[in-house]
Amino acid sequence: AQTVTQSQPEMSVQEAETVTLSCTYDTSESNYYLFWYKQPPSRQMILVIRQEAYKQQNATENRFSVNFQKAAKSFSLKISDSQLGDTAMYFCAFMKRSGGGADGLTFGKGTHLIIQP
Amino acid sequence: KAGVTQTPRYLIKTRGQQVTLSCSPISGHRSVSWYQQTPGQGLQFLFEYFSETQRNKGNFPGRFSGRQFSNSRSEMNVSTLELGDSALYLCASSATGGVGEKLFFGSGTQLSVL
Repeated sequence: AQTVTQSQPEMSVQEAETVTLSCTYDTSESNYYLFWYKQPPSRQMILVIRQEAYKQQNATENRFSVNFQKAAKSFSLKISDSQLGDTAMYFCAFMKRSGGGADGLTFGKGTHLIIQP
Repeated sequence: KAGVTQTPRYLIKTRGQQVTLSCSPISGHRSVSWYQQTPGQGLQFLFEYFSETQRNKGNFPGRFSGRQFSNSRSEMNVSTLELGDSALYLCASSATGGVGEKLFFGSGTQLSVL
Protein backbone atom coordinates (compact mmCIF):
# COMPACT_ATOMS: atom_id res chain seq x y z
CA ALA A 1 0.00 0.00 0.00
CA GLN A 2 1.06 3.56 -0.62
CA THR A 3 1.44 6.24 2.02
CA VAL A 4 1.71 10.01 1.57
CA THR A 5 3.12 12.19 4.33
CA GLN A 6 2.81 15.94 4.68
CA SER A 7 4.86 17.03 7.69
CA GLN A 8 3.63 20.63 7.87
CA PRO A 9 0.10 20.86 9.30
CA GLU A 10 0.03 24.64 8.89
CA MET A 11 2.12 27.35 7.26
CA SER A 12 1.74 31.10 7.16
CA VAL A 13 3.53 33.55 4.85
CA GLN A 14 3.17 37.15 3.74
CA GLU A 15 1.56 38.03 0.43
CA ALA A 16 4.04 38.04 -2.49
CA GLU A 17 6.46 35.71 -0.69
CA THR A 18 7.49 32.29 -1.96
CA VAL A 19 6.45 29.23 0.02
CA THR A 20 7.32 25.55 -0.29
CA LEU A 21 5.07 22.75 0.92
CA SER A 22 6.66 19.36 1.61
CA CYS A 23 5.42 15.91 0.67
CA THR A 24 7.04 12.49 0.87
CA TYR A 25 5.55 9.20 -0.22
CA ASP A 26 6.27 5.53 0.03
CA THR A 27 5.56 3.04 -2.73
CA SER A 28 7.01 0.03 -4.47
CA GLU A 29 5.33 1.02 -7.73
CA SER A 30 7.33 2.32 -10.67
CA ASN A 31 4.45 3.71 -12.72
CA TYR A 32 2.43 6.39 -10.96
CA TYR A 33 1.35 10.01 -10.84
CA LEU A 34 1.70 12.62 -8.14
CA PHE A 35 -0.65 15.54 -7.62
CA TRP A 36 -1.17 18.64 -5.55
CA TYR A 37 -4.79 19.56 -4.88
CA LYS A 38 -6.09 22.73 -3.25
CA GLN A 39 -9.23 22.80 -1.09
CA PRO A 40 -10.50 26.32 -0.31
CA PRO A 41 -13.31 26.95 2.21
CA SER A 42 -15.83 26.14 -0.54
CA ARG A 43 -14.68 22.50 -0.02
CA GLN A 44 -14.25 21.87 -3.74
CA MET A 45 -10.93 20.15 -4.48
CA ILE A 46 -9.05 21.82 -7.33
CA LEU A 47 -6.08 20.31 -9.15
CA VAL A 48 -3.03 22.56 -8.85
CA ILE A 49 -0.38 20.50 -10.60
CA ARG A 50 0.49 16.92 -11.55
CA GLN A 51 3.69 15.02 -12.24
CA GLU A 52 4.24 11.76 -14.10
CA ALA A 53 6.77 9.57 -12.30
CA TYR A 54 8.66 8.61 -15.44
CA LYS A 55 9.21 12.25 -16.42
CA GLN A 56 12.34 13.72 -14.87
CA GLN A 57 11.42 17.28 -15.73
CA ASN A 58 9.62 19.06 -12.92
CA ALA A 59 6.07 20.20 -13.73
CA THR A 60 5.19 23.90 -13.66
CA GLU A 61 1.86 25.72 -13.87
CA ASN A 62 2.23 29.50 -13.80
CA ARG A 63 3.20 30.41 -10.20
CA PHE A 64 3.20 26.77 -9.10
CA SER A 65 6.09 24.37 -9.57
CA VAL A 66 7.21 21.10 -8.07
CA ASN A 67 10.52 19.62 -7.03
CA PHE A 68 10.20 15.91 -7.79
CA GLN A 69 12.96 13.73 -6.40
CA LYS A 70 12.01 10.16 -7.38
CA ALA A 71 14.84 8.38 -5.59
CA ALA A 72 14.12 10.27 -2.38
CA LYS A 73 10.34 9.86 -2.91
CA SER A 74 9.86 13.55 -2.36
CA PHE A 75 7.39 15.86 -4.12
CA SER A 76 7.35 19.44 -2.84
CA LEU A 77 5.20 22.30 -4.13
CA LYS A 78 6.58 25.81 -4.56
CA ILE A 79 4.22 28.74 -4.80
CA SER A 80 5.83 31.94 -6.05
CA ASP A 81 4.45 35.44 -5.56
CA SER A 82 1.80 34.09 -3.18
CA GLN A 83 -1.65 35.70 -3.29
CA LEU A 84 -4.46 35.96 -0.76
CA GLY A 85 -6.51 33.58 -2.91
CA ASP A 86 -3.90 30.88 -2.36
CA THR A 87 -5.12 30.51 1.23
CA ALA A 88 -6.46 26.94 1.41
CA MET A 89 -5.73 23.38 2.45
CA TYR A 90 -3.21 21.76 0.13
CA PHE A 91 -3.17 18.01 -0.33
CA CYS A 92 -0.44 15.93 -1.88
CA ALA A 93 -1.80 12.81 -3.60
CA PHE A 94 -0.55 9.63 -5.28
CA MET A 95 -2.16 7.44 -7.92
CA LYS A 96 -0.87 4.14 -9.21
CA ARG A 97 -2.01 2.17 -12.18
CA SER A 98 -3.85 -1.01 -11.40
CA GLY A 99 -4.78 -3.81 -13.75
CA GLY A 100 -8.22 -2.48 -14.48
CA GLY A 101 -7.38 1.17 -14.87
CA ALA A 102 -6.48 3.88 -12.41
CA ASP A 103 -6.76 3.27 -8.70
CA GLY A 104 -8.13 5.99 -6.49
CA LEU A 105 -6.01 8.78 -5.12
CA THR A 106 -4.09 8.30 -1.88
CA PHE A 107 -3.95 11.63 -0.08
CA GLY A 108 -1.71 13.10 2.58
CA LYS A 109 -3.25 14.75 5.64
CA GLY A 110 -2.89 18.20 4.16
CA THR A 111 -1.15 21.50 4.89
CA HIS A 112 -3.20 24.55 5.81
CA LEU A 113 -1.59 27.46 4.01
CA ILE A 114 -2.44 30.97 5.17
CA ILE A 115 -1.40 33.97 3.11
CA GLN A 116 -1.23 37.10 5.26
CA PRO A 117 -1.90 40.54 3.70
CA LYS B 1 -20.18 23.72 -18.96
CA ALA B 2 -21.72 22.86 -15.59
CA GLY B 3 -19.39 21.41 -12.99
CA VAL B 4 -19.84 18.33 -10.84
CA THR B 5 -23.07 18.63 -8.86
CA GLN B 6 -23.62 16.85 -5.58
CA THR B 7 -26.91 16.73 -3.74
CA PRO B 8 -27.83 17.34 -1.06
CA ARG B 9 -25.21 19.73 0.37
CA TYR B 10 -26.03 18.80 3.95
CA LEU B 11 -27.72 15.80 5.50
CA ILE B 12 -28.51 14.81 9.08
CA LYS B 13 -29.36 11.20 9.89
CA THR B 14 -29.53 9.02 12.98
CA ARG B 15 -27.65 5.82 13.71
CA GLY B 16 -29.05 2.77 11.99
CA GLN B 17 -30.64 4.71 9.16
CA GLN B 18 -29.70 4.49 5.50
CA VAL B 19 -28.66 7.37 3.23
CA THR B 20 -28.28 7.95 -0.50
CA LEU B 21 -26.07 10.66 -1.96
CA SER B 22 -26.20 11.80 -5.56
CA CYS B 23 -23.53 12.99 -7.97
CA SER B 24 -23.99 14.39 -11.49
CA PRO B 25 -20.69 14.48 -13.38
CA ILE B 26 -19.58 16.99 -15.97
CA SER B 27 -21.34 16.38 -19.27
CA GLY B 28 -19.41 13.81 -21.30
CA HIS B 29 -17.50 12.40 -18.34
CA ARG B 30 -17.97 8.67 -17.89
CA SER B 31 -15.92 8.04 -14.76
CA VAL B 32 -17.19 8.93 -11.31
CA SER B 33 -15.29 8.30 -8.10
CA TRP B 34 -16.21 8.88 -4.48
CA TYR B 35 -14.10 9.94 -1.50
CA GLN B 36 -14.77 10.26 2.22
CA GLN B 37 -13.14 13.14 4.12
CA THR B 38 -12.97 13.15 7.92
CA PRO B 39 -10.77 15.13 10.33
CA GLY B 40 -9.27 11.93 11.72
CA GLN B 41 -8.73 9.73 8.66
CA GLY B 42 -8.40 12.45 6.05
CA LEU B 43 -9.40 11.76 2.45
CA GLN B 44 -10.05 8.13 1.57
CA PHE B 45 -11.04 6.55 -1.73
CA LEU B 46 -14.36 4.71 -1.68
CA PHE B 47 -14.93 3.47 -5.24
CA GLU B 48 -14.88 4.37 -8.90
CA TYR B 49 -17.47 3.69 -11.59
CA PHE B 50 -17.06 3.72 -15.34
CA SER B 51 -19.82 2.95 -17.81
CA GLU B 52 -22.10 1.65 -15.04
CA THR B 53 -19.47 -0.78 -13.72
CA GLN B 54 -17.53 -0.55 -10.50
CA ARG B 55 -13.93 -0.65 -11.60
CA ASN B 56 -12.03 0.00 -8.38
CA LYS B 57 -12.87 -0.11 -4.70
CA GLY B 58 -11.21 1.21 -1.58
CA ASN B 59 -11.04 -0.42 1.82
CA PHE B 60 -14.52 0.24 3.17
CA PRO B 61 -17.11 -2.17 4.62
CA GLY B 62 -19.95 -3.53 2.53
CA ARG B 63 -22.33 -0.99 4.08
CA PHE B 64 -20.91 1.45 1.54
CA SER B 65 -22.17 0.81 -1.96
CA GLY B 66 -22.72 2.70 -5.13
CA ARG B 67 -24.04 2.57 -8.62
CA GLN B 68 -23.86 4.45 -11.86
CA PHE B 69 -26.62 5.03 -14.34
CA SER B 70 -26.51 5.08 -18.13
CA ASN B 71 -26.30 8.90 -18.11
CA SER B 72 -23.18 8.60 -15.88
CA ARG B 73 -24.91 10.01 -12.81
CA SER B 74 -23.89 8.14 -9.71
CA GLU B 75 -25.32 7.45 -6.31
CA MET B 76 -23.67 6.13 -3.22
CA ASN B 77 -25.54 4.45 -0.41
CA VAL B 78 -24.57 3.89 3.19
CA SER B 79 -26.70 1.46 5.16
CA THR B 80 -26.95 1.02 8.92
CA LEU B 81 -25.30 4.35 9.61
CA GLU B 82 -22.73 4.63 12.39
CA LEU B 83 -21.49 7.75 14.17
CA GLY B 84 -18.14 7.31 12.44
CA ASP B 85 -19.77 7.72 9.04
CA SER B 86 -20.11 11.44 9.71
CA ALA B 87 -17.98 12.99 7.00
CA LEU B 88 -17.78 15.10 3.90
CA TYR B 89 -18.42 12.87 0.90
CA LEU B 90 -16.79 14.12 -2.28
CA CYS B 91 -17.55 13.01 -5.79
CA ALA B 92 -15.17 13.49 -8.71
CA SER B 93 -15.58 12.96 -12.41
CA SER B 94 -13.23 12.56 -15.35
CA ALA B 95 -13.57 11.70 -18.99
CA THR B 96 -12.32 8.11 -18.79
CA GLY B 97 -10.84 7.66 -15.31
CA GLY B 98 -7.42 6.97 -16.80
CA VAL B 99 -4.29 7.19 -14.68
CA GLY B 100 -3.15 10.76 -14.28
CA GLU B 101 -6.34 12.16 -15.75
CA LYS B 102 -7.54 15.40 -14.17
CA LEU B 103 -10.35 14.86 -11.68
CA PHE B 104 -13.06 17.47 -11.29
CA PHE B 105 -14.56 17.50 -7.81
CA GLY B 106 -17.93 18.60 -6.54
CA SER B 107 -18.41 20.61 -3.34
CA GLY B 108 -19.43 17.53 -1.42
CA THR B 109 -22.25 16.35 0.80
CA GLN B 110 -21.72 16.91 4.52
CA LEU B 111 -23.28 13.97 6.36
CA SER B 112 -23.85 14.16 10.09
CA VAL B 113 -24.91 11.01 11.94
CA LEU B 114 -26.49 11.59 15.36
